[in-house]
Amino acid sequence: DTGVSQDPRHKITKRGQNVTFRCDPISEHNRLYWYRQTLGQGPEFLTYFQNEAQLEKSRLLSDRFSAERPKGSFSTLEIQRTEQGDSAMYLCASSLWNQKQYFGPGTRLTVT
Amino acid sequence: GESVGLHLPTLSVQEGDNSIINCAYSNSASDYFIWYKQESGKGPQFIIDIRSNMDKRQGQRVTVLLNKTVKHLSLQIAATQPGDSAVYFCAESLDAGGTSYGKLTFGQGTILTVHP
Repeated sequence: DTGVSQDPRHKITKRGQNVTFRCDPISEHNRLYWYRQTLGQGPEFLTYFQNEAQLEKSRLLSDRFSAERPKGSFSTLEIQRTEQGDSAMYLCASSLWNQKQYFGPGTRLTVT
Repeated sequence: GESVGLHLPTLSVQEGDNSIINCAYSNSASDYFIWYKQESGKGPQFIIDIRSNMDKRQGQRVTVLLNKTVKHLSLQIAATQPGDSAVYFCAESLDAGGTSYGKLTFGQGTILTVHP
C-alpha cells in the first residue's frame, strides 16, 4: 500500500453514461497526476495538478474528460458520455514536488 | 516510444538467478529515470530511480544502469525470487533541476516470470 487510494476499484458502465473516479493522494504531496493504462501498455499521462491548479493536460484528454482538485487534496476525474474506447485502468499518482511518484491501485473502467 | 501492444518482451528465469531487464528510452533530453514493478490488477510500484548525472545506482537486490550515449537503461535484480514475477516498466522524465512538473513517459514493459 503506497498511501494513495482510489475509488471505486472497478466500474462497469454502459456506453453514453457518465462516470466519476476519486483519488486521495498521500496527504503532504502537493502534486497529483492522472494516467491511463490499457492492456499490454505502460501508463499514459493524462493531466497534472500542483495543489489545486491544473497545469497540464494531455491531448489524450478529450473534451469529455474533466478533472478537478478543488482543495488541493483529493481529485476527481469525470468522463462524460463514455465510449467503449474509454475502457482502461485509470491510475492516480502523487508526489512531493519532483520527488518520486507513488501510484494508487487504479480504477478499472469497463464500458459495455 | 511506440508500444507493440500485447506482445510484451518476456524474461523467464529460475529462482536464485540474476535477471537483467532492458529499456530503450526515447527523449535524449530526459534527465530522470525510474523503474516500476506492476503486479496483475495493481498500480505500479516504485523500485529504483536514477538521475542523468549518474550511470549506476544500487538498491536492495536491484541495480539500475544508465547509458546516455545510446539512451539505454537496465534493471538488474540479484537472486531473483518468485515474488519478483511481474511486469517491469521503465519511465523517463524531464526533471530540469526540479523546475519541470515531472510527467512520466513509460516504456513498453517486460514480463518477468520466476520459476521456483
